[in-house]
Amino acid sequence: RKEVEQDPGPFNVPEGATVAFNCTYSNSASQSFFWYRQDCRKEPKLLMSVYSSGNEDGRFTAQLNRASQYISLLIRDSKLSDSATYLCVVNIGTGGFKTIFGAGTRLFVKA
Amino acid sequence: NAGVTQTPKFRVLKTGQSMTLLCAQDMNHEYMYWYRQDPGMGLRLIHYSVGEGTTAKGEVPDGYNVSRLKKQNFLLGLESAAPSQTSVYFCASSYSGSKGWGQFFGPGTRLTVL
Repeated sequence: RKEVEQDPGPFNVPEGATVAFNCTYSNSASQSFFWYRQDCRKEPKLLMSVYSSGNEDGRFTAQLNRASQYISLLIRDSKLSDSATYLCVVNIGTGGFKTIFGAGTRLFVKA
Repeated sequence: NAGVTQTPKFRVLKTGQSMTLLCAQDMNHEYMYWYRQDPGMGLRLIHYSVGEGTTAKGEVPDGYNVSRLKKQNFLLGLESAAPSQTSVYFCASSYSGSKGWGQFFGPGTRLTVL
């Protein structure tokens, strides 16, 4: 079983739609959680950190459920520019050297 | 600020050749990392460094060596390239104890080994 699992998609949604991605992690020692965005043939870029209390950044909302060991990302009012691969990332312990990246979920937003 | 930069952007090697990938960051980050990304897989950590003069092995270190002689630079070496090392290589950096900060990535180096 992979330590971080994501549905690879692709998710094909029209502009303006709301789309949600989930991610599960297996290591209960995981301490910090992130969503990254990766455009085709580009580097991953930090989208947002994820907290148990939930956090929102504009159209993006992230949520962490420690009991069930899953992380979610909600995108409201999808834009064409949201088309990308979204990576779920988990840090196990402190420091960044036990960082596990999910394989990503692909999103296509169409006009 | 340039952030994290990598050179070269592309490289083609023949089996058995050697090369060095250079990563530089201007954010005064303590931690630096080298990853490889292969199709359908998440990024995998090759080596990392928690400070100048220190390096450690990650998940997939075989066939690679690293050095961090200066805080801002992290070099990845392939001594004898193999086709299995064909991949996209990303360097990243972060504040120390990146628990809440996340990592910042360079643009990547696309390496093909024939």
